[in-house]
Amino acid sequence: QKEVEQNSGPLSVPEGAIASLNCTYSDRGSQSFFWYRQYSGKSPELIMSIYSNGDKEDGRFTAQLNKASQYVSLLIRDSQPSDSATYLCAVNGVTGGGNKLTFGTGTQLKVEL
Amino acid sequence: EPEVTQTPSHQVTQMGQEVILRCVPISNHLYFYWYRQILGQKVEFLVSFYNNEISEKSEIFDDQFSVERPDGSNFTLKIRSTKLEDSAMYFCASSDGLAVEQYFGPGTRLTVT
Repeated sequence: QKEVEQNSGPLSVPEGAIASLNCTYSDRGSQSFFWYRQYSGKSPELIMSIYSNGDKEDGRFTAQLNKASQYVSLLIRDSQPSDSATYLCAVNGVTGGGNKLTFGTGTQLKVEL
Repeated sequence: EPEVTQTPSHQVTQMGQEVILRCVPISNHLYFYWYRQILGQKVEFLVSFYNNEISEKSEIFDDQFSVERPDGSNFTLKIRSTKLEDSAMYFCASSDGLAVEQYFGPGTRLTVT
């Protein structure tokens, strides 16, 4: 069973702080890694993708990947109240031709004024 | 910006009835997917579709489910005889390749009574 694990939270950070979200995965053959943001009652919205070890930055977001440790993280700098949402880690494996995303349960982030 | 669209936004049906959920993927995408999310649970993969055939399906996607691309723009999910446990948000997604970003539609909330 291919698993993606996340701490469900809630993770509370003050406005302007850095939020750090973490994810581990079990399928060592996983190829690509994604972070989605999901507001309550809405669909997952893609915010970051990462395919190789290291860091990838996009605006206030930085994704980090360590394939040896099977670990993906997302840093959100200068957190805003509008960042309050559930952040879903998703992993695309090799089996089945790489079609399927396996999601974690998500980490709820609360940015407090 | 191109986006995935889905109709209807909410469907209420009685147990045992057939439902068809509709999706219009992003126009230049070739890979299409259905996922579902039961309230309070993780997003789960149902099926992927490429070149007019199913490329991968999950254990959830049993004989009660089918998918079709009836024309050049629509992608549908049919549930033949709905059960109470089919109540969930159903998300359509599309991508322009394998193991790359998948973009989600707004979802259809299916309520089976």
